[in-house]
Amino acid sequence: KNQVEQSPQSLIILEGKNCTLQCNYTVSPFSNLRWYKQDTGRGPVSLTIMTFSENTKSNGRYTATLDADTKQSSLHITASQLSDSASYICVVRSNTGKLIFGQGTTLQVKP
Amino acid sequence: GAVVSQHPSRVICKSGTSVKIECRSLDFQATTMFWYRQFPKKSLMLMATSNEGSKATYEQGVEKDKFLINHASLTLSTLTVTSAHPEDSSFYICSARSGTGNTIYFGEGSWLTVV
Repeated sequence: KNQVEQSPQSLIILEGKNCTLQCNYTVSPFSNLRWYKQDTGRGPVSLTIMTFSENTKSNGRYTATLDADTKQSSLHITASQLSDSASYICVVRSNTGKLIFGQGTTLQVKP
Repeated sequence: GAVVSQHPSRVICKSGTSVKIECRSLDFQATTMFWYRQFPKKSLMLMATSNEGSKATYEQGVEKDKFLINHASLTLSTLTVTSAHPEDSSFYICSARSGTGNTIYFGEGSWLTVV
């Protein structure tokens, strides 16, 4: 069964600290993996998209990693800011074009 | 960059009425658009895939007569919630796939409240 599981479910960190969010998937055949940031009551915004051959991709303070062998991805946020408070969703696309969404990790950055 | 626009962003309607939500790709043509529903603190749930010029493909459990989807042009898809019921109150989000196929952009979402 195609599944995407994210951990932790929620996370609270202090401003300026780093954090890492995890995403494990069982989607096969795999096409790409995306990380989205979703502010409360808003649509998701793309952070990174990674294909099978990519191991690391950065977008500012966001760095995503992908291990296609173990089917794991992580999103590392460096020097967190209050505006990073949001839900982070891992989405895996299969070769059939179907998107499988993780449940998301809710991040709260406190001053 | 590519932008997907949804309208209205918030709508309140009475039970039994119908409400239409529009999803537009502003600077690219989208042959495929997707409609999602999201409950509070939950992830997005795909409702249907909207293909330009053909009938939408609905996910299991989604009533096609309840949630009418029309994709009349390469830049516009509409979702009409018919005979709205308070349990239809939710956050509805659309996304559109650009011509290259690999990039998907989400709209800002539409809050529907049925009273």
